[in-house]
Amino acid sequence: EVSLVESGGGLIQPGGSLTLACAASGSTVSSNTLSWVRQAPGKGLEWVSIIYSGGRTYYADSVRGRFTISRDGTKNMVYLHMSSLRGEDTSVYYCATVWGTLVRGETVEVFDNWGQGTLVTVSS
Amino acid sequence: DIQLTQSPSSLSASVGDRVTITCRASLGIGSHLNWYKQEPGKAPKLLIYAASSLQSGVPSRFSGSGSGTDFTLTIHSLQPEDFATYYCQQSYNILWTFGQGTKLNI
Repeated sequence: EVSLVESGGGLIQPGGSLTLACAASGSTVSSNTLSWVRQAPGKGLEWVSIIYSGGRTYYADSVRGRFTISRDGTKNMVYLHMSSLRGEDTSVYYCATVWGTLVRGETVEVFDNWGQGTLVTVSS
Repeated sequence: DIQLTQSPSSLSASVGDRVTITCRASLGIGSHLNWYKQEPGKAPKLLIYAASSLQSGVPSRFSGSGSGTDFTLTIHSLQPEDFATYYCQQSYNILWTFGQGTKLNI
């Protein structure tokens, strides 16, 4: 089973930048699809970004243009570079693997393994 | 974006009860609907994928059904460890979304 460990969270001022890291063990990031999901304090889950095994990347509307997802196969790490941070970006950020399974002729994708999360607080 | 609306937002129940949580999508998503359980301070855990398939290792008292726009998660015979928050999530299009969550209270 894949194990994911996030790091890099902390307190950052509005307008600042921060890079989160997700270390994967038990699988290679280059051959898997990984995603970031966040959760503001006391709130629900919000999908943030995804990087497919083939390299395609996608972003939620709320972060597109400010956040960049990337990976380093040599270190088996996935990153989320966040810039122009706002108070509403304050959240626990989770890294998750994405598994696609064929169901009745269609591929259904799910978050199947999650890290423990890292807290990002945007405040002056 | 596809909106997912869960109901109820919170639910009180007792050990041994059967409970049902619904999730309605703003447009048809086929079977691209998954359910997760989250305990306080922990990461979410996959319960049901593709609307009705039970994830390996998840107790059989959990079941899911539905397709298109209306989905349900049913927990038969609640156990103490089932009191948590449950989320539905769609992966029909790339802008994946979650429902707002249903908190299951004792």
